[in-house]
Amino acid sequence: DVKVTQSSRYLVKRTGEKVFLECVQDMDHENMFWYRQDPGLGLRLIYFSYDVKMKEKGDIPEGYSVSREKKERFSLILESASTNQTSMYLCASSSPLGGRTEAFFGQGTRLTVV
Amino acid sequence: AQSVAQPEDQVNVAEGNPLTVKCTYSVSGNPYLFWYVQYPNRGLQFLLKYITGDNLVKGSYGFEAEFNKSQTSFHLKKPSALVSDSALYFCAVAAGPGAGNNRKLIWGLGTSLAVNP
Repeated sequence: DVKVTQSSRYLVKRTGEKVFLECVQDMDHENMFWYRQDPGLGLRLIYFSYDVKMKEKGDIPEGYSVSREKKERFSLILESASTNQTSMYLCASSSPLGGRTEAFFGQGTRLTVV
Repeated sequence: AQSVAQPEDQVNVAEGNPLTVKCTYSVSGNPYLFWYVQYPNRGLQFLLKYITGDNLVKGSYGFEAEFNKSQTSFHLKKPSALVSDSALYFCAVAAGPGAGNNRKLIWGLGTSLAVNP
């Protein structure tokens, strides 16, 4: 089974802190994603990576950056956390090859910025 | 603009009754259609997908969905609901160039399904 693992389930950080959310997948997937999920807003794409060191901005990239130095790991960085970044963060991976186009998600990180 | 609509925020059904969670879409080109389920405080789990072929797609946990091109719909169904089916359900669609790599996935806002004992 595909496994996508996010480093933390729950995280509490202070305003202004630099925050790292880590995600690792074990299926050699080319694509990795970071979403945030908020009530009433559904899933919104923050960043997408289709290969090592390659990234594309999603719909809401402001205040975030990403790093993908290895194929299996995709990190989301909040440069200076703010209270409006309190949310559930979801990492996902997928492969465009072999017809398995569906995305596989991690368990989510609930981040609270105080 | 491409969009996905889940017209019902919440669906309530009695255990043992059939359930339907609705999804309609508006895209250019042939759609890739997906259903995912999210249990409380968890990530999303893939249920089923339509890419091409038979319009009736069967997926995990006894769920199925029917692709209806003329009505641009992809409703999720199950013949007999279980209390354990209570969760948040998301419909998603991709179309056009890049559809195969999910880059252009468009998500519905989700439908909360409550199955009552």
